[in-house]
Amino acid sequence: DGGITQSPKYLFRKEGQNVTLSCEQNLNHDAMYWYRQDPGQGLRLIYYSQIVNDFQKGDIAEGYSVSREKKESFPLTVTSAQKNPTAFYLCASSAWDSRYTQYFGPGTRLTVL
Amino acid sequence: DAKTTQPPSMDCAEGRAANLPCNHSTISGNEYVYWYRQIHSQGPQYIIHGLKNNETNEMASLIITEDRKSSTLILPHATLRDTAVYYCIVSIIQGAQKLVFGQGTRLTINP
Repeated sequence: DGGITQSPKYLFRKEGQNVTLSCEQNLNHDAMYWYRQDPGQGLRLIYYSQIVNDFQKGDIAEGYSVSREKKESFPLTVTSAQKNPTAFYLCASSAWDSRYTQYFGPGTRLTVL
Repeated sequence: DAKTTQPPSMDCAEGRAANLPCNHSTISGNEYVYWYRQIHSQGPQYIIHGLKNNETNEMASLIITEDRKSSTLILPHATLRDTAVYYCIVSIIQGAQKLVFGQGTRLTINP
């Protein structure tokens, strides 16, 4: 099946530890995104990447880092500098076509204890 | 901040048409209206988008007013599986879109 995979679905970490969330897509999309969602709120953009080896900060990039070494992969690291890391993290991708619609993965729910 | 205003919640009976309104009074000429929905604890799903003409696809219809300051998403025959949060977003078409999600409308379909 074509799509976006995020693993794991649930992730628990101790405070002060860095954690990396994976995002893989086999849709051959150029652009990829990371969003954060807090309970009862809409999604907020953390980082996005238009092409390999290039990425830009979104609205809430502090305490996060990303890499884009391969077209199909866009991992997100939640560092210990992120003050409130517990949240639902969503990865998305989009093609440079006439619609530019974003396709979302199932999400990873991160809980920092 | 989101550039759209939506009611926080709506109810609709199963089998009836669900009409979800959205105000976007500050929309620019090159901004499209996008609709996504998010079923509980899942990733958002694209529904439809349009610029100024009405649009229809297999999921829904989008009606945009002539002045483009508001729009309505129509689910013609709502089912229980349409229960979700619906987001109305305005965005330009570009290589990497920075979508700004508001809090959306929580639509509940009742049996």
